[in-house]
Amino acid sequence: SQQGEEDPQALSIQEGENATMNCSYKTSINNLQWYRQNSGRGLVHLILIRSNEREKHSGRLRVTLDTSKKSSSLLITASRAADTASYFCATLYNTDKLIFGTGTRLQVFP
Amino acid sequence: EPEVTQTPSHQVTQMGQEVILRCVPISNHLYFYWYRQILGQKVEFLVSFYNNEISEKSEIFDDQFSVERPDGSNFTLKIRSTKLEDSAMYFCASSEPDRGGYGYTFGSGTRLTVV
Repeated sequence: SQQGEEDPQALSIQEGENATMNCSYKTSINNLQWYRQNSGRGLVHLILIRSNEREKHSGRLRVTLDTSKKSSSLLITASRAADTASYFCATLYNTDKLIFGTGTRLQVFP
Repeated sequence: EPEVTQTPSHQVTQMGQEVILRCVPISNHLYFYWYRQILGQKVEFLVSFYNNEISEKSEIFDDQFSVERPDGSNFTLKIRSTKLEDSAMYFCASSEPDRGGYGYTFGSGTRLTVV
């Protein structure tokens, strides 16, 4: 698999449910970041987790990182229709460039 | 909240023409970047810029591309002799002095359409 692959590719849920997206990567990392992209719009930074951290919270977001499995998950609790977007993980390692994953398209139905 | 501003939001150009995409990074950020996203594909790194010079570039960033910080606020991407395959969303980003330790701030993008 390529650096930064998310699964599932698409996820549809009802408002109020939780959404979990997973990201796998191949190389070492300094940090892993999650971004949101509304259709045709820019990328919004959501949360960053460093390689020495295992879990981080920000509002309704919870990110976990397992460096032994080279994987991360993003949990959005109590989802809202406004959470409908594509979500990308991106990794950074001893370099200037973020390497983005393929993204998960989340659809939250009212 | 500080923003990265990109102009124009949409640019249509004829094949073979030169385009300049403009960005105003966040004022106290020191690292600047260009990324692109071809429709339906991954976001790809193009180039990073620090201290008035390119610090890293991808294999995509060939002689067709150049970047410049012409003054204290603007950061531009020039694409010479555009090709159909240059059609994409181009994102500018900037980051804090510790280079991504707090995440990157992206602009809303310029949609480039080459016809």
